[in-house]
Amino acid sequence: EVQLVQSGVEVKKPGESLKISCKGSGYIFTNYWIGWVRQMPGKGLEWMGFIYPGDSDTRYSPSFQGQVTISADKSISTAYLQWSSLKASDTAMYYCARHTALSGTAKWFDPWGQGTLVTVFS
Amino acid sequence: QSVLTQTPSTSGTPGQRVSISCSGSSSNVGGNTVNWYQQLPGTAPKLLIYGDNQRPSGVPDRFSASKSGTSASLAISGLLSEDEADYYCATWDDSLNGPVFGGGTKLTVL
Repeated sequence: EVQLVQSGVEVKKPGESLKISCKGSGYIFTNYWIGWVRQMPGKGLEWMGFIYPGDSDTRYSPSFQGQVTISADKSISTAYLQWSSLKASDTAMYYCARHTALSGTAKWFDPWGQGTLVTVFS
Repeated sequence: QSVLTQTPSTSGTPGQRVSISCSGSSSNVGGNTVNWYQQLPGTAPKLLIYGDNQRPSGVPDRFSASKSGTSASLAISGLLSEDEADYYCATWDDSLNGPVFGGGTKLTVL
């Protein structure tokens, strides 16, 4: 079974750093892009960026470029999303998801991790 | 403000058929296939439809989808109480060079 398992709930203070993880299993981790998606409380889904674990090629949404860092350790089939200095506005649920591209126009996320809730407050 | 436009909410009674729309532009819906995700309360999104109208294994055939030009729609027939969820359309955007989502439609089963 293809599965992505994310790290647990995080409660942080503004200014602190954080790194959350997403571990893949049931498939060849290095062959698929992994995406990160933010869902703020009561809001919709926003794509943050991708990483290709095979060579660590990384792409960011303009909205998140410079705000977060995406990385991966292919030796342990794990992707990461990190912040160097959290803000209260980073409070959200963060999902990782495997990105499949059947062709240049047919691409989708499946499966999704269970999500990591990040709460930032002073 | 989401790139793809969805009606924020809709409702139906058990057994009814409901439709959810998704509107975009030539750089996204018009040029790439559309996917639909179902997000049950308190859970992660789940792929419901990919490639405009393909159901992954395990998705009931009560769920169907179509696309015409820069608009897409998801239809749910024989509505069940367990279908109460948020539904998101998504596709690739050639201008962004990344995926974009609709704002989501909250389906209430009355």
